[in-house]
Amino acid sequence: NAGVTQTPKFQVLKTGQSMTLQCAQDMNHEYMSWYRQDPGMGLRLIHYSVGAGITDQGEVPNGYNVSRSTTEDFPLRLLSAAPSQTSVYFCASSYSMSGANVLTFGAGSRLTVL
Amino acid sequence: AQSVTQLDSQVPVFEEAPVELRCNYSSSVSVYLFWYVQYPNQGLQLLLKYLSGSTLVKGINGFEAEFNKSQTSFHLRKPSVHISDTAEYFCAVIPFGETSGSRLTFGEGTQLTVNP
Repeated sequence: NAGVTQTPKFQVLKTGQSMTLQCAQDMNHEYMSWYRQDPGMGLRLIHYSVGAGITDQGEVPNGYNVSRSTTEDFPLRLLSAAPSQTSVYFCASSYSMSGANVLTFGAGSRLTVL
Repeated sequence: AQSVTQLDSQVPVFEEAPVELRCNYSSSVSVYLFWYVQYPNQGLQLLLKYLSGSTLVKGINGFEAEFNKSQTSFHLRKPSVHISDTAEYFCAVIPFGETSGSRLTFGEGTQLTVNP
């Protein structure tokens, strides 16, 4: 049982380059989300999805796109990377998003934008 | 909207000493409360959660937390820490009835370092 798998673990980009962070879960979870973690700021929600074909913006969506074509996958796209997007990114999923449900996190993807 | 404040960014302690990590929250509605732990180079995992009922909640690895509604706090405690407890700890809240997940709010995190 793999849980939530994120790739790549590390990535270095130049300003203006594009890339996709991959996230896959094998638990048949409806809810998936992307967070970024920055020192002293905790985790901030970028985008989330409550099911295939349904996505919405979180607290800090600018500069990021998402799509959810299948239940399992929820990729995060950076169309034109900026140094401000240097961060650690976490994908998380849950069976549903009723408040009592617990998030399962991936191991994270560390992105550096030069 | 809700907010979460973790009152200490870093807490250094010696092995076998007690520890308390403090979390205060602000919300206009009732909330569920969580503590997550992040070990070095790993994702977050649930330590414990408060949904309702007894205000003293026990979690994994000997941790417990007490919900205090009047003080809007959810402090995490352990009577005797181990080196392996060194990690970053996050407090989080979400309003009752929230179904989209967009209002799960995390605190800034507290780095617990246990020294021999």
